[in-house]
Amino acid sequence: GDSVTQMEGPVTLSEEAFLTINCTYTATGYPSLFWYVQYPGEGLQLLLKATKADDKGSNKGFEATYRKETTSFHLEKGSVQVSDSAVYFCALRNYGGSQGNLIFGKGTKLSVKP
Amino acid sequence: DAGVIQSPRHEVTEMGQEVTLRCKPISGHDYLFWYRQTMMRGLELLIYFNNNVPIDDSGMPEDRFSAKMPNASFSTLKIQPSEPRDSAVYFCASSPRTGRADEQYFGPGTRLTVT
Repeated sequence: GDSVTQMEGPVTLSEEAFLTINCTYTATGYPSLFWYVQYPGEGLQLLLKATKADDKGSNKGFEATYRKETTSFHLEKGSVQVSDSAVYFCALRNYGGSQGNLIFGKGTKLSVKP
Repeated sequence: DAGVIQSPRHEVTEMGQEVTLRCKPISGHDYLFWYRQTMMRGLELLIYFNNNVPIDDSGMPEDRFSAKMPNASFSTLKIQPSEPRDSAVYFCASSPRTGRADEQYFGPGTRLTVT
């Protein structure tokens, strides 16, 4: 079945460091890909998305490019801030026979130190 | 917009008791999802509804769990009887559609502790 694999956390960085959180997926068909973020004590919220190969999603300085050849959707940010500390979830939605459910990775916790 | 509303935010109960979690989706959204989040298993989809009709309940762990959506503005997730392994954060989410670019909007969650 479809699945999402994220790098294990936690990830600890200093402020202004470069961030990469790896995400790869397994899916039949042509899924849409999403990154959600969960701040402490809150629900998940959409960070960015891409719906087809080579699309780049971006928001709040974060970027991710849909790479079909490597089945990846890695999240990057050039300079992280303390306020970026959160748990990040990669997710996919497939249309190859499912009914449009979101399938989530296990999440990667990011801590940014001042 | 009020967003997705869940109640209670925290629930502590004893093993064997009935627990009812509540959700009010965003007005106009046709899809409602219930998730469970634990450290061990991550985020799991339990069940989802389209226009108040359950579409996929394959994620419901066992018969102790049941979910209803009596109208477009309210849903419940019930656990009877509850067990300590049910301790988790339960999220409700809603979505207007499930198209390629459509996101789900999550509520703040209910943290359930069963002792």
